[in-house]
Amino acid sequence: AQSVTQLGSHVSVSEGALVLLRCNYSSSVPPYLFWYVQYPNQGLQLLLKYTTGATLVKGINGFEAEFKKSETSFHLTKPSAHMSDAAEYFCAVKRGANNLFFGTGTRLTVIP
Amino acid sequence: DAMVIQNPRYQVTQFGKPVTLSCSQTLNHNVMYWYQQKSSQAPKLLFHYYDKDFNNEADTPDNFQSRRPNTSFCFLDIRSPGLGDAAMYLCATSRDLAGAGNGYTFGSGTRLTVV
Repeated sequence: AQSVTQLGSHVSVSEGALVLLRCNYSSSVPPYLFWYVQYPNQGLQLLLKYTTGATLVKGINGFEAEFKKSETSFHLTKPSAHMSDAAEYFCAVKRGANNLFFGTGTRLTVIP
Repeated sequence: DAMVIQNPRYQVTQFGKPVTLSCSQTLNHNVMYWYQQKSSQAPKLLFHYYDKDFNNEADTPDNFQSRRPNTSFCFLDIRSPGLGDAAMYLCATSRDLAGAGNGYTFGSGTRLTVV
């Protein structure tokens, strides 16, 4: 079954620095991949998704991710971190017709 | 604005006392989902409704039930909450059965505390 693994449960970056959050997937079929963000005591908000087509996907809040089949990766990046980016980030893969399987999450801390 | 609304945001219940969490949507989506998210863990799908058709995940405990009286509302019933059921419960919707390919719309969640 399709799954995702997020490397690093906690990532800290300085304000203005590059954000890189790692996600690797396992899938026997072409995957549908997602990144969600969760602020404290909030639901999940979709940042971006990859289904087919262009492998570099741009999302909201300046985030983007690149689907790399050869590396089975879908890492999330942002060129310059803002304090408001501090949150929990979840990578997810479509599993079956109606399920999203989520990774264990990466907590991003932005240091002033 | 079209949205997914969960009530209440915070719920405290007693051990063994039945509790119901509520979710409503103004998106007119066909599919509604319930996820359980324990502290510092990934959300885990409990079940979903496609219209009136209920689909339970194989490992969802019998203690958890759901009702969907109409398109707009879906309820999560926990018949006898245990301490291990303390979690954030997330409701999500998608337009149709291909919805997982487009991503879900999530509510803000209900944080359940069991005392």
